[in-house]
Amino acid sequence: DTGVSQDPRHKITKRGQNVTFRCDPISEHNRLYWYRQTLGQGPEFLTYFQNEAQLEKSRLLSDRFSAERPKGSFSTLEIQRTEQGDSAMYLCASSLQTAGVAKNIQYFGAGTRLSVL
Amino acid sequence: GQNIDQPTEMTATEGAIVQINCTYQTSGFNGLFWYQQHAGEAPTFLSYNVLDGLEEKGRFSSFLSRSKGYSYLLLKELQMKDSASYLCAVRDLTTDSWGKFQFGAGTQVVVTP
Repeated sequence: DTGVSQDPRHKITKRGQNVTFRCDPISEHNRLYWYRQTLGQGPEFLTYFQNEAQLEKSRLLSDRFSAERPKGSFSTLEIQRTEQGDSAMYLCASSLQTAGVAKNIQYFGAGTRLSVL
Repeated sequence: GQNIDQPTEMTATEGAIVQINCTYQTSGFNGLFWYQQHAGEAPTFLSYNVLDGLEEKGRFSSFLSRSKGYSYLLLKELQMKDSASYLCAVRDLTTDSWGKFQFGAGTQVVVTP
């Protein structure tokens, strides 16, 4: 299976702790996205990378959130000093953006479900 | 997303047809996508429309009218495994050049025997 993989699938933490999630995109994909999804809602955009460059961050992404994609392959999303409001599913997606191809379909991982107690 | 509206839930019988509507408001429209998401799983890509008209793919079809800001996903010959949330997503070039996806809240389809 060469789809998008995320680790861990579930994370339970206490308020105030730091957590880090990992995303491994489809290998040839140059774009990587992070989303947050709460129950009954669609995914909300957090940030995205083109290769190793982080090109946009949502206003939803407070200073406690940081994302990296150091070698343009896997990415990590860190949340510092977690709050109960951070409890959500964190989804990663990747896509291949090439000139002349308009679709740029995003393929999603199964997500990391974060519960902050 | 605030500018994308779709019904919260729809119920249909196995073997029947269900049509999920999606309306959107954007000034930089650059494509509409439908995804299926089973509970606790990844959203999976179903269809893509950028020009007006109907795109058919097996039991699933998607329609787009850009002038009306309207799309629908048609699910035919419903099967129990089609019970899932269906997400409408619009790509918008208005605010930046890369085409951010904005998702609707999803429509939960319940298929009954």
